[in-house]
Amino acid sequence: EVQLVESGGGLVQPGGSLRLSCAASGFTFSSYSMNWVRQAPGKGLEWVSYIGWNTNFIYYADSVKGRFTISRDNAKNSLYLQMNSLRVEDRAVYYCVRDVNYALDIWGQGTMVTVSS
Amino acid sequence: QSALTQPPSASGSPGQSVTISCTGTSSDVGGYNYVSWYQQHPGKAPKLMISEVNKRPSGVPDRFSGSKSGNTASLTVSGLQAEDEADYYCCSYAGSSNPWVFGGGTKLTVL
Repeated sequence: EVQLVESGGGLVQPGGSLRLSCAASGFTFSSYSMNWVRQAPGKGLEWVSYIGWNTNFIYYADSVKGRFTISRDNAKNSLYLQMNSLRVEDRAVYYCVRDVNYALDIWGQGTMVTVSS
Repeated sequence: QSALTQPPSASGSPGQSVTISCTGTSSDVGGYNYVSWYQQHPGKAPKLMISEVNKRPSGVPDRFSGSKSGNTASLTVSGLQAEDEADYYCCSYAGSSNPWVFGGGTKLTVL
C-alpha cells in the first residue's frame, strides 16, 4: 500500500523550532518529487515547499522562505521539514504530499503544529 | 502568488449536477493544463479527484469531471450522492519556482 506517515508535530513557543518527518512506503520514494502543504484550522490549503527527486530543485513559499528547510533521505525513504523561527501564523496541519505528473496524488494523514506561548 | 478564486459554497439535491468554478490568471490556470481538484472530508486528508484539467485517477467515479476555458477551470459533479458532501479545492501549477497555487475551497452541500 502506498503510504505517507508524518510525525514530529506538537506545541512550540513563538520563535521556537520543530522538525517534521514523513516516512514513505509502498513506492519508489527516490523517483518522486515531494511537497509539504499546510492547512490552518478552518482554512484552506497552502503549499509550503517542494523538493525534487534528487534534491536538484528546492522551492519555498514566500511565507516560510528563510525560516523553513526541506530535505530528504532517499536511503531512508524519508522527507523532512525543519521549521525555525516559528510564528503563531504557522499553526496548521502539515501534510507530506507526493508529486506526480503535475498533481499531488498521495497525501499523508497530517501532523498538527501549534505555535503558542 | 494569489490564491485561485472559488465560490465559498455550492449545493445540489441528490441526483442533480453541480459545477464549481476556479478562476486564476494566465500565470497559472490559463498558462498550463495542470489544474487538479481535491476532495476533503472533515478531519481527513485531501484526495486527488481530477488531474491535468480532466483526468480521473483510478478509483474516482466518472461522475466527477473537469474542464477549463481560459483562466477558469471547473469541476462538475453529476448524479450527486450524499458522500459527495465535502470541501473541494482546485490547484494549478504556476511555474517551477512557486509550483502550486490553491483555491480557497468550496463547501459542497448535498441537500
